[in-house]
Amino acid sequence: EAGVTQFPSHSVIEKGQTVTLRCDPISGHDNLYWYRRVMGKEIKFLLHFVKESKQDESGMPNNRFLAERTGGTYSTLKVQPAELEDSGVYFCASSQRQGTNTEAFFGQGTRLTVV
Amino acid sequence: AQSVTQPDIHITVSEGASLELRCNYSYGATPYLFWYVQSPGQGLQLLLKYFSGDTLVQGIKGFEAEFKRSQSSFNLRKPSVHWSDAAEYFCAVGPFGNEKLTFGTGTRLTIIP
Repeated sequence: EAGVTQFPSHSVIEKGQTVTLRCDPISGHDNLYWYRRVMGKEIKFLLHFVKESKQDESGMPNNRFLAERTGGTYSTLKVQPAELEDSGVYFCASSQRQGTNTEAFFGQGTRLTVV
Repeated sequence: AQSVTQPDIHITVSEGASLELRCNYSYGATPYLFWYVQSPGQGLQLLLKYFSGDTLVQGIKGFEAEFKRSQSSFNLRKPSVHWSDAAEYFCAVGPFGNEKLTFGTGTRLTIIP
């Protein structure tokens, strides 16, 4: 069974440009989460999808970040325009359903460098 | 607000030696506690988790963790480390049944021969 897959693994962009990160969750997983780790700091929650709906986006840093989940399958996280402080590793995770003893499976992350 | 503290940024141990990674948490409700590991080039892998029951939890790869409510701690241990254990380890806390997790800053483990 394929795990959580993230594309690209690494992206280097200039300040002011746009970048789109993609996450393919494990098939059948309704829950999809985005997290971010800024260099040397903790991994922080960004948002949570249940199928195609945003359940909780309290961690999104500002309106330069836009997350979508088309048809409840894969998700994209777009940063437009990118700023230097957006650099970090973006993780995606998925799990089967809420309210039960489930486990979140994480992807390998996308390392974003804004120069 | 919830928080997780991992006081050791970097730990170096000899192969075969014992290991203990510290984790302290602050959480308003009953915590659901996790330890994850990230090996180079890999995603976060769940080592073990605790919600209730026996306070000593066994995980994968020979790891265990002990929940101590009085100390708000959930330390990770391994009796004898292997070179393949070199990785970064993250402690996390969250609500039951929901993976909106609060992570610590991580502890990088280096193994020397």
